[in-house]
Order: sequence, then structure tokens, then C-alpha cells
Amino acid sequence: DSGVTQTPKHLITATGQRVTLRCSPRSGDLSVYWYQQSLDQGLQFLIQYYNGEERAKGNILERFSAQQFPDLHSELNLSSLELGDSALYFCASSVNDWPQHFGDGTRLSIL
Amino acid sequence: AQKITQTQPGMFVQEKEAVTLDCTYDTSDPSYGLFWYKQPSSGEMIFLIYQGSYDQQNATEGRYSLNFQKARKSANLVISASQLGDSAMYFCAMREGTSGTYKYIFGTGTRLKVLA
Repeated sequence: DSGVTQTPKHLITATGQRVTLRCSPRSGDLSVYWYQQSLDQGLQFLIQYYNGEERAKGNILERFSAQQFPDLHSELNLSSLELGDSALYFCASSVNDWPQHFGDGTRLSIL
Repeated sequence: AQKITQTQPGMFVQEKEAVTLDCTYDTSDPSYGLFWYKQPSSGEMIFLIYQGSYDQQNATEGRYSLNFQKARKSANLVISASQLGDSAMYFCAMREGTSGTYKYIFGTGTRLKVLA
């Protein structure tokens, strides 16, 4: 058990919709990272937060946004969903500047 | 150009043997970090090992070691005494840039199958 909790585990929705993915980091970890894993794109880093502040930004689309709250949990918001957004979305946390503890992921399916 | 290259899409190794998974990287930053992750068929991502660009010694974590050859820009993962549970997808990754502008890049992965 990594100590990182992601909800929901599965999400099925339609094109054009908006969803929110949630991540609770391991106790004591201040950094939260979001990744997208798809067959087409492989593993893509989206964004990192550290203690509520954005720390690093990767290939995150403008339709996507994220934030980290004072209790350190993070949410990834995906809007105007397209078929190509179907993927496994991972959250990870760490005390360092590299992702160490991963959640089980949220599998997003766009119909 | 690919920033992280894993040239072995798939590999087989006999149980109890050692195996090396190749990874080459490309960056002009003097400060960077290299990582390996394991993803079993169950889907979770497991951090294995980290090597900083300024680290003098090769990183080791139990049966995992990272063969860091800076001049060749390679960061191969060596797994000693392979076990059946090592069968998984392995990803090499790099962090480049400075704090506040970090980029994390992943390779396409190597699927390792350990044979009994």
C-alpha cells in the first residue's frame, strides 16, 4: 500500500463533459504529481504541486486544470472531454522532488 | 529527438539470473535526475531507484542498481537474481530543469518476462 489514495477508480463519461479526479497524498508528503498514461501517448507528466503551489508543469492541456488544497489533497479537473482523453490518470506524492509513491490510478473512459 | 530512449521493447530472463534494461537520455541541463519505475500487469506504478546527475556513486536499492555512465548518457537498470515477481513493464524517466521549471519525461518502457 503506497498510502496514496485516488478516487474514483473508474470513470465513464461522454464527450464534452467535465470530470474531477481526486488524490490524497501519503501522510507527510507535500508534493503531488499528476500523470496521464495512454496507449497513444505513453506516460506523460501533467503537473506538480508542492504545498499548495504549482511547482512544475508538463504537457497539460488548457482544458485540464489542477489544484492542491490546504489539507494537501489535490484535484485534477478535465473539461470538454474528447475521446483521446481516455487514459489512466495517476497521482503520485513525495517529500522530495521526484515522484515516489503512486496511487492505483483512475481509469477514465470517454464514450 | 527522444529525450529518453529505451531500445528494448521486450526482454526475457531466466529466474535467478541478472538482467540489464537499457536507457539512454538526452539533456543539456547540467543538473538532472534519472529514475526507474516498475509497472506490474496489475497496473500500479512502483518507484525503484533514483540517480542524480552529480552523484558520484551508482545508486543501489536492494537487488536494483543503476549503471550510470554520464559521458555516454546512459542509465541502465540492473536487476540481480531475477524473481518471477519481477515480470513487469519498466520505465526509465528523467527530470530536467530547475526547481519551478522541472520537466519529467518517460521512456516507452521495456516489458520484462522472468522465466521459471
